[in-house]
Parts: sequence; structure tokens; C-alpha cells
Amino acid sequence: GDSVTQMEGPVTLSEEAFLTINCTYTATGYPSLFWYVQYPGEGLQLLLKATKADDKGSNKGFEATYRKETTSFHLEKGSVQVSDSAVYFCALQNSGYALNFGKGTSLLVTP
Amino acid sequence: NAGVTQTPKFQVLKTGQSMTLQCAQDMNHEYMSWYRQDPGMGLRLIHYSVGAGITDQGEVPNGYNVSRSTTEDFPLRLLSAAPSQTSVYFCASSYGWDTQYFGPGTRLTVL
Repeated sequence: GDSVTQMEGPVTLSEEAFLTINCTYTATGYPSLFWYVQYPGEGLQLLLKATKADDKGSNKGFEATYRKETTSFHLEKGSVQVSDSAVYFCALQNSGYALNFGKGTSLLVTP
Repeated sequence: NAGVTQTPKFQVLKTGQSMTLQCAQDMNHEYMSWYRQDPGMGLRLIHYSVGAGITDQGEVPNGYNVSRSTTEDFPLRLLSAAPSQTSVYFCASSYGWDTQYFGPGTRLTVL
């Protein structure tokens, strides 16, 4: 079945550092891919998405490119801020309604 | 727009008790769903609905009951709570298979 694997956390970075959170997936066909963010005590918010191969999703300085050849959707940001501290979830949506989530990666950015 | 709202925010139950988690949305979305979030496991779909009067099971439906009598509301019922149902529950809504918007969550503890 479909699955999403993302890097284990927690990830701790200093402010202004470069961020990469790896995400790879297994799925038949052509799923849509998402990154959701969960700030402390809150629900999940959509950060960005891509619906077909080679699409780049971007929002708030974050980017991710849908790479079908490597089945990856890595999240990147050039310069993180303390306010980016949160849990980040990679997810896919394939032939049905359900989102299939990775386990989440906790990010802590220190001043 | 309030978006997706959930009540209560926190709940403690004893084994065998029943309760209903409430979810409402004011975006006129057809699709609504319930997920549970457990440590290290991401989110998993419990039940979902594609419109009033129509519901279907997700990945982990056992022990939960749903109904959808209006477009706005999608309550989740625990008929006889078990410690394995200790989790954080998120409701989500969407317009079709488009972006899912999540509520703030209900943290449930079953003793």
C-alpha cells in the first residue's frame, strides 16, 4: 500500500540556518503530495502542495519539488526563524480521499 | 469564517464511558473527516463523509461511530471508551478532494 517516510526528528537548528526535511513515498500512480505544519497546541495547516511530477510547491519561504524519479518531496527553507519551530508532516493523497501521513518531524529553531 | 471548530478541547473518560466529539465547519464543504494522531504514527483516518447522509470507514474505524445529518456538523461517537482510544482527534473538511482544513483538535484520555 501507499506509505510516506520522513526523516526522524527532532531537528534543532540555529536561526538563519538552512533547513531540509527529507520525505520519500511509495505509491502507485500519480499521487498528490503535501506538507502540513502543526504549531504547538494547534491543528494542522497546509504549508504547500504539488499535484504532478516536477511541480514545485512554495509558501512562506518553504519549497518542495515533486520528484517522481526519486519518489521524493523534500522540504527546504533557506533561512529558518524561531517562529518556524513546529512539527512538519509530509502526506500523500492517491486514489482515495484519505491523506496518508508520515510520522512527522519536529523542528526546533534556537535564537 | 470560523473554519473548522471542535469541542471539547480536552476530555478525560473512564473505560466504558461514552461520549461525542463535536465538529463543525462554516465553509460549506461537502467532505468532512476524522483523524486520530498518536505519538510516532502521524495521523490516521477514522471515518469520513462526502455529504449529508453519506459516511464511510477509514483506516481505523473500530470503536467509533459517525453520522452526518447536516453539511455543517460531523460528530464522532465513542460508544464504550477504551484506553487504546487515548489520542488527539482532528476533524477536517474540504471541498471535494481538494485541500483539507483541520480543526484545533480534541485531546482525549481514557483511564
